[in-house]
Amino acid sequence: GAVVSQHPSRVICKSGTSVKIECRSLDFQATTMFWYRQFPKKSLMLMATSNEGSKATYEQGVEKDKFLINHASLTLSTLTVTSAHPEDSSFYICSASTGPGPDTQYFGPGTRLTVL
Amino acid sequence: RKEVEQDPGPFNVPEGATVAFNCTYSNSASQSFFWYRQDCRKEPKLLMSVYSSGNEDGRFTAQLNRASQYISLLIRDSKLSDSATYLCVTEGRDYKLSFGAGTTVTVRA
Repeated sequence: GAVVSQHPSRVICKSGTSVKIECRSLDFQATTMFWYRQFPKKSLMLMATSNEGSKATYEQGVEKDKFLINHASLTLSTLTVTSAHPEDSSFYICSASTGPGPDTQYFGPGTRLTVL
Repeated sequence: RKEVEQDPGPFNVPEGATVAFNCTYSNSASQSFFWYRQDCRKEPKLLMSVYSSGNEDGRFTAQLNRASQYISLLIRDSKLSDSATYLCVTEGRDYKLSFGAGTTVTVRA
C-alpha cells in the first residue's frame, strides 16, 4: 500500500517551454501533497505544500508564478514549471501524506527535468 | 545556517565493518526524526524513525540526543547493498520535513 507515482519520470525540454509533472497517490487519499526539488549532491528542498481544493503554500524564495501547483483531487497534484530555464533543471519529487503526524509521507519516484 | 547538517562522507568501508555517522539539527522545536536512504537518482525511502531512547532495526541502530541536537546512525556488519546516501530528516510542528544533504556510504567487497 501507500504507493505514489509521478509522471513523467524524465523530461527534456527547450528553454522557454512549460512542463507539467503529475503526482498521484494510487491506493490512498492524500490530504496533503508536498513538492521538493533536489540539485545534485544537495538536500531535498521543500518547494510548496498543497492541500486539496486550496491554494498551495510556497516556501520562501520559491516563485509561485513560476511553479504552478494544482491539487484538484485527493489523489492528484500537478506542478507546472512555466517558462523553464536551464537553472530549473533538477530532480523534482513529490510526497503524499495521509494526515498529520510522523511516518505519513510517501514519496514518488521523482521526475528528472533537463532544460536545454 | 542549514537546518540539518551532515558530514557528506564518503565513508568507504569493507563488507562486515561497522560504520557510524551523525547529523546535527538547528531547530529545537523539531518533533520527529528519521533516517532515510536514497540510492542514486531515486526517491528517498524511510529507513527508520529515531527515538530518544535509541532504537534498533536489525543491523541499524539510531540514537537521538535532544540536548545536543544530534542524531546518529550505526550500521553493523555492512553489506554491499548498504551502499547509498543516508539522509537525516527532522519534522517540525507543521509536519514539514527538513532534509540533510546526506552522508554517502560505500561498502566494498
